[in-house]
Amino acid sequence: AQTVTQSQPEMSVQEAETVTLSCTYDTSESDYYLFWYKQPPSRQMILVIRQEAYKQQNATENRFSVNFQKAAKSFSLKISDSQLGDAAMYFCAYRTSNQAGTALIFGKGTTLSVSS
Amino acid sequence: ETGVTQTPRHLVMGMTNKKSLKCEQHLGHNAMYWYKQSAKKPLELMFVYSLEERVENNSVPSRFSPECPNSSHLFLHLHTLQPEDSALYLCASSPWEVVAAEAFFGQGTRLTVV
Repeated sequence: AQTVTQSQPEMSVQEAETVTLSCTYDTSESDYYLFWYKQPPSRQMILVIRQEAYKQQNATENRFSVNFQKAAKSFSLKISDSQLGDAAMYFCAYRTSNQAGTALIFGKGTTLSVSS
Repeated sequence: ETGVTQTPRHLVMGMTNKKSLKCEQHLGHNAMYWYKQSAKKPLELMFVYSLEERVENNSVPSRFSPECPNSSHLFLHLHTLQPEDSALYLCASSPWEVVAAEAFFGQGTRLTVV
């Protein structure tokens, strides 16, 4: 069974600085998808970024980028130029590509605080 | 309009009560999911419905009973709950046939069992 581990329960960053959130996963599959979700106090889970395992190029979305290391099974999220609105809980998630309709598997999450 | 709507947002119930959580999605998706979010734990997948049929039940206690009457609606019926069942219950949906697709979430129901 696949598992997702986020080893940092809490992280903090100052506005305009850069922060990296860690995620590792365990799988025997070669093709899968990885996601980072953001959960602000409103509780609405929002997709931040997605990575396809067969693509070597790291995904980027504006200030958000990932460092995907397939051999190491590592998928970290880098937030550049942090803003107060980035404060939230961030979840790393895994989905197999071998079967339709499968659910995402999540880590425990990392709470990010941003100070001015 | 968030796409996935959950009601109620908050629920307090006694251990002998029966209540239901409702989830509705307006995205045309045909896979829906119930997750339980407790503090300091990963989101726990409870149930998966694909094409209105339950395809996964991760050993959830029978006091939780899901129902999916059509592809747009998902319910979670609750009865004889325990205090440890207090948590945030999240509903999500995605297009069944697109493995790369993200899951879209509702805002959750904060359940407190007293």
